[in-house]
Amino acid sequence: DQQVKQNSPSLSVQEGRISILNCDYTNSMFDYFLWYKKYPAEGPTFLISISSIKDKNEDGRFTVFLNKSAKHLSLHIVPSQPGDSAVYFCAASPFTYSGAGSYQLTFGKGTKLSVIP
Amino acid sequence: DAGITQSPRHKVTETGTPVTLRCHQTENHRYMYWYRQDPGHGLRLIHYSYGVKDTDKGEVSDGYSVSRSKTEDFLLTLESATSSQTSVYFCAIRYTGASTDTQYFGPGTRLTVL
Repeated sequence: DQQVKQNSPSLSVQEGRISILNCDYTNSMFDYFLWYKKYPAEGPTFLISISSIKDKNEDGRFTVFLNKSAKHLSLHIVPSQPGDSAVYFCAASPFTYSGAGSYQLTFGKGTKLSVIP
Repeated sequence: DAGITQSPRHKVTETGTPVTLRCHQTENHRYMYWYRQDPGHGLRLIHYSYGVKDTDKGEVSDGYSVSRSKTEDFLLTLESATSSQTSVYFCAIRYTGASTDTQYFGPGTRLTVL
């Protein structure tokens, strides 16, 4: 049973346009969400996170939106650049006795973003 | 990069042989994790540690064991490697800062079991 779903295996976007990557989750206990970017032959790198008490978080060109009622989050990249071409993973963490955070992450399968110059 | 190194970076071994992968961190982080990444599966948690000698199983722990005798080292052992354990293995640490709580990953170990 896949608890974090990234239903688009790949996405192509023109340079300068907006990239929107989507993620759905099924576990109501998830309350902290993260996005990672991964280049080939490297480890994933953290991009941005959001707690369930918020519905939006911004960091430069990256914005994450959270819709708790729909159990859906999305990552917007504006404007997209060729260097953004990578695999993007959505991850979620449940509330634990130790509080929210990245204590134990469940990852989606990833979306490969290609930004075309 | 949170001072995480993994060794070896690449390994080819044969079915039935024992294999140990090492994760080393230099910043005294309490939580450490082992994941595997396979096509079509994303990243899956194998085992994690919340302190010296404190470990627990993740989603795909069968066939793997771990040990943490020092804060800085987290070892992943395949007692008898199988071809299904061919994968890329990532170690991670949990970093909790003033405004963030995330996991930082090492560079990975590519393991091939023939």
